[in-house]
Amino acid sequence: GENVEQHPSTLSVQEGDSAVIKCTYSDSASNYFPWYKQELGKGPQLIIDIRSNVGEKKDQRIAVTLNKTAKHFSLHITETQPEDSAVYFCAARGNTGFQKLVFGTGTRLLVSP
Amino acid sequence: NAGVTQTPKFQVLKTGQSMTLQCAQDMNHEYMSWYRQDPGMGLRLIHYSVGAGITDQGEVPNGYNVSRSTTEDFPLRLLSAAPSQTSVYFCASSYAGTDTEAFFGQGTRLTVV
Repeated sequence: GENVEQHPSTLSVQEGDSAVIKCTYSDSASNYFPWYKQELGKGPQLIIDIRSNVGEKKDQRIAVTLNKTAKHFSLHITETQPEDSAVYFCAARGNTGFQKLVFGTGTRLLVSP
Repeated sequence: NAGVTQTPKFQVLKTGQSMTLQCAQDMNHEYMSWYRQDPGMGLRLIHYSVGAGITDQGEVPNGYNVSRSTTEDFPLRLLSAAPSQTSVYFCASSYAGTDTEAFFGQGTRLTVV
């Protein structure tokens, strides 16, 4: 089955810096790659996603890139703000049947003012 | 919109007790699922349902039961609680499809003593 690895486990940056979180997946059949942000005491919330027919997607300060050949995808946050501090999860899902998401282990991002 | 509602928010059980975690969604989503979140392990799928009357096992189903009698509700039953089931539990729902957004509830923090 699918296996998703995520790095780093913790990331500390200064406000205004960029942050990059990287994930690799094992199943070449996976075709949907969402990123979730989880704030303290809350459930994960989708912030951006990418499908396997696209190499890059941007939404304001957030971008995701996908390299299907190398089976890795990354989340890029530019001009970080203290409110970006949270735990971020990547996930991958195959192209058949139920939406069975496989999650990475999470990255705790701390943005210092 | 209420979205995905989980109750209770916190629960302490004694070893051997049983209980039901409730999950309800008001978005008419076909798919519903239960995950558990443990430190350093991301979110792992317990059970899922692709529609009323249809359920299946995920990655870590042992010790848990589910049923789906209506589209809206997807309760998770702990049959005989064990300390290893101490975790944060999340319910999620989505429309059917291979790339639809999963919406998560706020979570239930369960402690088994």
